[in-house]
Amino acid sequence: DTGVSQDPRHKITKRGQNVTFRCDPISEHNRLYWYRQTLGQGPEFLTYFQNEAQLEKSRLLSDRFSAERPKGSFSTLEIQRTEQGDSAMYLCASSFRRGTPNTGELFFGEGSRLTVL
Amino acid sequence: DAKTTQPPSMDCAEGRAANLPCNHSTISGNEYVYWYRQIHSQGPQYIIHGLKNNETNEMASLIITEDRKSSTLILPHATLRDTAVYYCIVRPGLTDKLIFGTGTRLQVFP
Repeated sequence: DTGVSQDPRHKITKRGQNVTFRCDPISEHNRLYWYRQTLGQGPEFLTYFQNEAQLEKSRLLSDRFSAERPKGSFSTLEIQRTEQGDSAMYLCASSFRRGTPNTGELFFGEGSRLTVL
Repeated sequence: DAKTTQPPSMDCAEGRAANLPCNHSTISGNEYVYWYRQIHSQGPQYIIHGLKNNETNEMASLIITEDRKSSTLILPHATLRDTAVYYCIVRPGLTDKLIFGTGTRLQVFP
């Protein structure tokens, strides 16, 4: 399978615990994105990387959230001291930026569903 | 980012064309119209995009009005597998993120 893969697919945790999600993008893609989706809503942008550089972070990304892409390949999204409001689907996407204008499509993974009890 | 307005839900009979409208009256000249869909429990899937001209690919057709203030996604022969939430997104050419709204939930029935 050469698509975007995410791990774990499901995570149940207790409030206050830390969780980490991993995303492996399509191998030649230089852009990687994280989104969050709650029930009945469209995905909300959180952050994105070009190679290892984090280029933009949403105001939604509180200090408890941190994302990394250390070698420009896979990425991790960590949530510290989870709260019940963090329960959501966390989606990763990747794309290949060819230049300006950038019209490259985003390829999404199937997401990691977080439930905070 | 320009905002889009879509009907919350639509129905379509299997085998018929599904025409999904989108209003983007504040779109500016360098902004593209993108369509994605999300089948239950999966990540969003790219369908098609366009700037000014109508576009067609193996999945769908995109019709953009001359003033670019609205567009229609056409699934020419809807199948049950096309049941999904369809998102219309306006994306500036210089940015790399997509801003999703709440989309249109399309239900294809037998």
